[in-house]
Amino acid sequence: GNSVTQMEGPVTLSEEAFLTINCTYTATGYPSLFWYVQYPGEGLQLLLKATKADDKGSNKGFEATYRKETTSFHLEKGSVQVSDSAVYFCALSTGGGNKLTFGTGTQLKVEL
Amino acid sequence: DAGVTQSPTHLIKTRGQQVTLRCSPKSGHDTVSWYQQALGQGPQFIFQYYEEEERQRGNFPDRFSGHQFPNYSSELNVNALLLGDSALYLCASSLDLASQETQYFGPGTRLLVL
Repeated sequence: GNSVTQMEGPVTLSEEAFLTINCTYTATGYPSLFWYVQYPGEGLQLLLKATKADDKGSNKGFEATYRKETTSFHLEKGSVQVSDSAVYFCALSTGGGNKLTFGTGTQLKVEL
Repeated sequence: DAGVTQSPTHLIKTRGQQVTLRCSPKSGHDTVSWYQQALGQGPQFIFQYYEEEERQRGNFPDRFSGHQFPNYSSELNVNALLLGDSALYLCASSLDLASQETQYFGPGTRLLVL
């Protein structure tokens, strides 16, 4: 079956620090990969996605590259801001139907 | 253009009761999925509706049922509530069941079972 493994949080960084949140996956077929973000008290927002190997998704300074050889989709940002504090979820979907399988989430806290 | 909306925002029920949650998809979307997010966990897929039929189902008991209406809105029903059903219930909509279209999530309904 499909599964997603994320690094455990919370991750605490100072503003302008470099961010990496690791994500690896197991999937049948060729999944599409996603990062969703959840701000306190809100639902999920799509941050970025990649649909095939070697694709790079990017948005709001965040990037992630679909690495088929290492089954990974690590999230990176060069300089985090306090406003980036949230929970980040890695997810995948395979085949038709768009059913998403999520990781457990990684909480990011950015301090001044 | 309204995004995905859900109602109510919060709900408190007691064990054994039944609950109905509602979702209106993003304009133009025809597929609705429901997820359960327990505290501190990632969302878990419950089921998906397309053309008023349940097309996929996750590992949830029959106490969880749903419906999709001709206008694509959807309801999630949970019978015989258990304490463990306390969670944030998320609705997501997308276009075209067969594609890898992005799912858009609503703000969720937070259910507390006492």
